[in-house]
Amino acid sequence: RKEVEQDPGPFNVPEGATVAFNCTYSNSASQSFFWYRQDCRKEPKLLMSVYSSGNEDGRFTAQLNRASQYISLLIRDSKLSDSATYLCVVNSFQKLVFGTGTRLLVSP
Amino acid sequence: NAGVTQTPKFRVLKTGQSMTLLCAQDMNHEYMYWYRQDPGMGLRLIHYSVGEGTTAKGEVPDGYNVSRLKKQNFLLGLESAAPSQTSVYFCASSYSSASVGRGADTQYFGPGTRLTVL
Repeated sequence: RKEVEQDPGPFNVPEGATVAFNCTYSNSASQSFFWYRQDCRKEPKLLMSVYSSGNEDGRFTAQLNRASQYISLLIRDSKLSDSATYLCVVNSFQKLVFGTGTRLLVSP
Repeated sequence: NAGVTQTPKFRVLKTGQSMTLLCAQDMNHEYMYWYRQDPGMGLRLIHYSVGEGTTAKGEVPDGYNVSRLKKQNFLLGLESAAPSQTSVYFCASSYSSASVGRGADTQYFGPGTRLTVL
């Protein structure tokens, strides 16, 4: 079993739609969690950290469920520019472990 | 601030050739990392460094060596390149490796090096 698992997608949604991604992790002792965004042929960039209380940044909302060991990312009012791969990242034994990513395609 | 930079951006090698990838960061980060990214595999940690003069093996270290002679630089070497090392290589840096404070272990990535070994 992979330490961090994500649905690879792709998720195809129209502009303006709301889309949600989930990610599960195996190390129950993990303390920090992130969502990174990676555009085609570019480096991963931090989208947002995920805090226990949940957090929101504009159209993006991240949630953490420690009991079930999953993290979610909700994107509201999708834009064409949101098309990218979203990487779920977990700090496991003081190393960041990256999921393989969920691809999002937003169409006009 | 340039953040994290990598040179070269692209390289084609023949099997058996050697090369060094250079990573530099200007954020005064203690921790630096080398990853490779292959289709369907996600990012895999090759080697990392917790400070100047120290290095450690990651998940896939075979065939690679690293050095961290200066805090701001982290070099990745391929002594005898193999086709299996065709990949995109990313360098990253962070302030810490532990979640000692919000954002302390956030990693910042360089633009990557696309390496093809024929």
